[in-house]
Amino acid sequence: DQQVKQNSPSLSVQEGRISILNCDYTNSMFDYFLWYKKYPAEGPTFLISISSIKDKNEDGRFTVFLNKSAKHLSLHIVPSQPGDSAVYFCAAPGSARQLTFGSGTQLTVLP
Amino acid sequence: DAGITQSPRHKVTETGTPVTLRCHQTENHRYMYWYRQDPGHGLRLIHYSYGVKDTDKGEVSDGYSVSRSKTEDFLLTLESATSSQTSVYFCAISDHKGRPYEQYFGPGTRLTVT
Repeated sequence: DQQVKQNSPSLSVQEGRISILNCDYTNSMFDYFLWYKKYPAEGPTFLISISSIKDKNEDGRFTVFLNKSAKHLSLHIVPSQPGDSAVYFCAAPGSARQLTFGSGTQLTVLP
Repeated sequence: DAGITQSPRHKVTETGTPVTLRCHQTENHRYMYWYRQDPGHGLRLIHYSYGVKDTDKGEVSDGYSVSRSKTEDFLLTLESATSSQTSVYFCAISDHKGRPYEQYFGPGTRLTVT
């Protein structure tokens, strides 16, 4: 049973527009969430995170929103750039600090 | 960038043969992890280590074993490789002292079992 779900395998967005990537979770004990970005043939790299005591965290063009009542978080990228084309994973830490990842969303930003 | 290397980067092996993948770090981080990435599954934890000689199982540990005799090295062994273990394997490290729960990933090893 996947505790972290990304239901959209892919998303295409025009350059300059907003990209919204979604993530749902089932475990109400999760108190921290992370987004990772992955380019082909490379390891994932940390992008942005949010604690459950907040509902928003912003870092430049990237903003993560957390809706605890809906067990939903989203990553907004504004404006989207072709270099943002990658696979994005949301993740939550478990009891031993290991991360549980969603299945990922392939974002393609069209020039 | 965190100093993490994985070797080999690519490997093709036959069903039934043993395979060992190596993760080496130069960051002196306490925690090390092995994940596998498969289409539709994201990254799934195989085993992790919270110190030298201290390891534990993850979500998909069947068919895998690990060893950590030094802080810098974490080995993943497939005792008898099967086609279902064809995957991309990532090592990650963390000291959990910086951003909470953040892990740094190596470049990955693409393993094909024929």
